[in-house]
Amino acid sequence: DIQMTQSPSTLSASVGDRVIINCRASQSFNSWLAWYQQKPGKAPKILIYKASTLESGVPSRFSGSGSGTEFTLTISSLQPDDSATYYCQQGLTFGGGTKVEIK
Amino acid sequence: QVQLQQSGPGLVKPSQTLSLTCAISGDTVSSSSAAWNWIRQSPSRGLEWLGRTYYRSKWYSDYAVAVKSRIIINPDTSKNQFSLQLSSVTAEDTAVYYCARDWAVAGTTFDPWGQGTLVTVSS
Repeated sequence: DIQMTQSPSTLSASVGDRVIINCRASQSFNSWLAWYQQKPGKAPKILIYKASTLESGVPSRFSGSGSGTEFTLTISSLQPDDSATYYCQQGLTFGGGTKVEIK
Repeated sequence: QVQLQQSGPGLVKPSQTLSLTCAISGDTVSSSSAAWNWIRQSPSRGLEWLGRTYYRSKWYSDYAVAVKSRIIINPDTSKNQFSLQLSSVTAEDTAVYYCARDWAVAGTTFDPWGQGTLVTVSS
């Protein structure tokens, strides 16, 4: 089975900062990787699919990149509403999550 | 707009069967381009895919190895919904359970998700 490893597990940044979250797959699967945002008490919400395609309605400050086994989610200018946990997913496997806190 | 609405009990006794239902609006359970999934989330296991059902000229179901001996996911075309049954539950099955649609033909993307149901296994 594919293992998905995210780093860091938590990060604290200020409003306006550029934030980068990494996701590594244990083996190359395909380029179809998704990123989700989850806020407390809510279901995960799709942000990006196919590694870099922004879901309709998601702010353009979110972007995704990568291929093979290395993928990245970037928030270009962190906003207060971005405080959440972010998950990558490939195939039927999810990463362990990255909790983003606002300083 | 596709929406998923979950229903079912939040408390199940050990050794009994957990049963949840996910009602679909805006799509059909027999869609030939979607798959209907159950995923759970707990602090110890994170987000864990449990299984799915989908229609491709006939019905298929796939299950995670960890629960394969205890799980059944069934479609109900008359009510446009699908269900989860997980038998012989223990405290380790305590989690928030989500239903979700996978719409992507070329890959796997879960969207939308149901609202989630916290299921506690306790006597």
